[in-house]
Amino acid sequence: IAGITQAPTSQILAAGRRMTLRCTQDMRHNAMYWYRQDLGLGLRLIHYSNTAGTTGKGEVPDGYSVSRANTDDFPLTLASAVPSQTSVYFCASSDTGGADTQYFGPGTRLTVL
Amino acid sequence: GQNIDQPTEMTATEGAIVQINCTYQTSGFNGLFWYQQHAGEAPTFLSYNVLDGLEEKGRFSSFLSRSKGYSYLLLKELQMKDSASYLCAPMDSNYQLIWGAGTKLIIKP
Repeated sequence: IAGITQAPTSQILAAGRRMTLRCTQDMRHNAMYWYRQDLGLGLRLIHYSNTAGTTGKGEVPDGYSVSRANTDDFPLTLASAVPSQTSVYFCASSDTGGADTQYFGPGTRLTVL
Repeated sequence: GQNIDQPTEMTATEGAIVQINCTYQTSGFNGLFWYQQHAGEAPTFLSYNVLDGLEEKGRFSSFLSRSKGYSYLLLKELQMKDSASYLCAPMDSNYQLIWGAGTKLIIKP
C-alpha cells in the first residue's frame, strides 16, 4: 500500500508557466488537502475537498485551483506561476473532513524563477 | 484571530527528557494534534488530544488543558533520531488544522 503519492518530487518552473502538481491516495479517504510550507511559517492550507465532487478554499487559495473528479486524485494547478509560489507543497488525506488524522504525501519542492 | 505559539528551537541531550510547549487561540476547538517532521520530509502524526489530560504513547506523551489553551509534548529517553521539528496543530470549529511554525529539536550526544 503506497498511501499518498505526489508527483513530481521537485520542479523548476519559469514564471508565467502553467503547472499541475499531482496527488493520489489509495486509502479510500474522503477528504484531501493541499498545503504549502515556507521556511519559518507553519503549514498553510490552500484548498481542500471533503468528498469527491466538492472543493473548498483554504487560507491561501489565490493563484491555485483544484479539482476532485474521483476519490483517489486531487491535482493542484498553478495557472500562471509567480516566484512567490516557490515553496514545498504537501498533499494530505483523512478519512473524513472531521476530527481525523491527516496523513501526508512526501511533498513537491517547487521553484519558480 | 487564530494563533499558535511554540518555541522556535530547543536543545537536549541524548537519554534526557524534553517538554515542548504550545499555546493556542482558535475559533472553536476540535482537538489538538502533534506531528513530527524530519528535515526534508513530510509531517507524520504523533498524537491527538481532545479532552484535558495526559495521553501516553511509548516514549512520547501529550498533555492538553483546554481552559488554558495549552498543550505540551513530552519526549523521554531521547534518541538521536528524535532530532526533528515538532508541529503543534489545534483544529478549529471548521475542522481545519491551524499550524504553528514548529519547534526544531536538536539532540546532542
